[in-house]
Amino acid sequence: DAKTTQPNSMESNEEEPVHLPCNHSTISGTDYIHWYRQLPSQGPEYVIHGLTSNVNNRMASLAIAEDRKSSTLILHRATLRDAAVYYCILKGYGGSQGNLIFGKGTKLSVKP
Amino acid sequence: DTEVTQTPKHLVMGMTNKKSLKCEQHMGHRAMYWYKQKAKKPPELMFVYSYEKLSINESVPSRFSPECPNSSLLNLHLHALQPEDSALYLCASSHPLRDEKLFFGSGTQLSVL
Repeated sequence: DAKTTQPNSMESNEEEPVHLPCNHSTISGTDYIHWYRQLPSQGPEYVIHGLTSNVNNRMASLAIAEDRKSSTLILHRATLRDAAVYYCILKGYGGSQGNLIFGKGTKLSVKP
Repeated sequence: DTEVTQTPKHLVMGMTNKKSLKCEQHMGHRAMYWYKQKAKKPPELMFVYSYEKLSINESVPSRFSPECPNSSLLNLHLHALQPEDSALYLCASSHPLRDEKLFFGSGTQLSVL
């Protein structure tokens, strides 16, 4: 069963902001929201994660809805190097819930 | 050092061969993972080691045999594979806490002939 729902693909223009949505209506109180991306021919790369509050780091921002049933990954200025598959993943606690289980992700294309 | 190193990068093997994939990290992580990724699909979890002990086996066929000889090394021994086992095999590591991020290697691209 998919725990998160993301659009299959999105397009962006270079140097413009990108908002990647993720729905997770069945999130539990102990689930962290993780985002990873996978560039072509590479392993997945950690982007950001959060629990309840919005989070910022050098790569991106994570906006989490107040009810935690959805979140948005924000790339402030997309570059060609940001073209990748972006995965939104719920990571719980204990046993198999604590493992990273990938859904289908969103393939982001960036146009020059 | 924030790298997870996987060797070899590419491997071609016949169905009767025995081969091993190797993964190494020196970040002091005590959780290590094997994932399998078919083309244009998301990674699928195969095995999890926590403190050098196998904690998760996601119903993987016995022709895949993981081994964690120490806290820095993770091996995946392959024997009698099928062509449908051809895939990218990814290794990852993390601190075994619920909010910790995973560091992935670049993977071994395996082709079974």
